[in-house]
Amino acid sequence: DSGVTQTPKHLITATGQRVTLRCSPRSGDLSVYWYQQSLDQGLQFLIHYYNGEERAKGNILERFSAQQFPDLHSELNLSSLELGDSALYFCASSVEAQVANTEAFFGQGTRLTVV
Amino acid sequence: QKEVEQDPGPLSVPEGAIVSLNCTYSNSAFQYFMWYRQYSRKGPELLMYTYSSGNKEDGRFTAQVDKSSKYISLFIRDSQPSDSATYLCAMIFSRNGANSKLTFGKGITLSVRP
Repeated sequence: DSGVTQTPKHLITATGQRVTLRCSPRSGDLSVYWYQQSLDQGLQFLIHYYNGEERAKGNILERFSAQQFPDLHSELNLSSLELGDSALYFCASSVEAQVANTEAFFGQGTRLTVV
Repeated sequence: QKEVEQDPGPLSVPEGAIVSLNCTYSNSAFQYFMWYRQYSRKGPELLMYTYSSGNKEDGRFTAQVDKSSKYISLFIRDSQPSDSATYLCAMIFSRNGANSKLTFGKGITLSVRP
């Protein structure tokens, strides 16, 4: 168990809908990272937050947004969902104050299926 | 051309075999290289982490980086059925700033047969 908790584990929703994925980092970790994993694209970095502030952005669509709250948990909001958004979404956390995420610990992921 | 290419596999070997997993990359600015292991229905976990060219050994695992060839490898000695997982290479430009995002290969699924 990595100590990173993601909810829900599975989510099935219809196209056009909006969903929120939640991540609780390991105790003491200030950084949260979001990744999307699909069969064709592999694991893609979406966004990084450190202590409530956005630090780096990757291949995140404009329909997606994230935030990190004062208690350090993070939410990834996906809106106007399309079939192609079906994927595993991972959250990772790390202690580091730097942006680097080389020692990040991953949660078990949320499997999103858009039908 | 993708920034990081990894043999798609899958790869099946008998128990005890030496396994060689490889990735190539196109951008010479990558400086930090990692291997992650991902078991089915789990998140990736960091296996090995190396900086620049050279070898690093940890038990049965050896990570090798050849920056001149833009090629990294993970060797697994005396492979065990418990090594059956998907292995992903990853790399970053630097540990600071906006260039620190991890870029992953697509992963290769390894199966070690008892």
